[in-house]
Amino acid sequence: EVVLTQSPATLSLSPGERATLSCRASQTLSSYLAWYQQKPGQPPRLLIYDVYNRAPGTPARFSGSGSGTDFILTISSLEPGDSAVYYCQQHSNWPPYTFGQGTKLEIK
Amino acid sequence: EIQFVESGGGLVQPGGSLRLSCAGSGFTFGAYWMHWVRQVPGKGLVWVSHIESDGRNPTYTDSVKGRFTISRDNARSTMYLQMNSLRAEDSGMYFCGGGTGVRGVHYPEYWGRGTLVTVSS
Repeated sequence: EVVLTQSPATLSLSPGERATLSCRASQTLSSYLAWYQQKPGQPPRLLIYDVYNRAPGTPARFSGSGSGTDFILTISSLEPGDSAVYYCQQHSNWPPYTFGQGTKLEIK
Repeated sequence: EIQFVESGGGLVQPGGSLRLSCAGSGFTFGAYWMHWVRQVPGKGLVWVSHIESDGRNPTYTDSVKGRFTISRDNARSTMYLQMNSLRAEDSGMYFCGGGTGVRGVHYPEYWGRGTLVTVSS
């Protein structure tokens, strides 16, 4: 099973700043990694798939990068509505699909 | 508008059974791969099971193999999760999610709001 480890656990930044969220895999992944955003009381929302492709409706402020075992979600200029928990998910070696444990992003 | 609505959750004793349903509308249900994902309130997401668009090749996370069965009825636009021999660690909010195409089959794009399962005596 592929284990995904996200860091940091919590990130507190101000509007307009850049956020960098990390996802590290326990084994090399093909380019089958996605990022989801989840706000309280809501289901997850797909943001990025296959490492760097934005899902429909995802603002251009969100970008994905990485390869091998190390992947990054970057939010270039934070807005208050970006407060959420962000999860990475892989399907490079499935089943099972696996999620990271999440990074909580707080906007000051 | 594409919608999923889960139902069937509730309080059940350890060893008991529940059947969850996920009803889809606003799209061609039979074209979508579907997934169940569990989340303990305040905790992370855990993938539970998936089923392909035509019902073939269901897969499960190890902890539910032999106890849970995923199925679907495309004529009714509904997916099911039969949960038997329930344990406390099966508790959580169960979300159904789905998608189609190169993006959606492995990365669910559309989700319901979940149904809560509590396994407790």
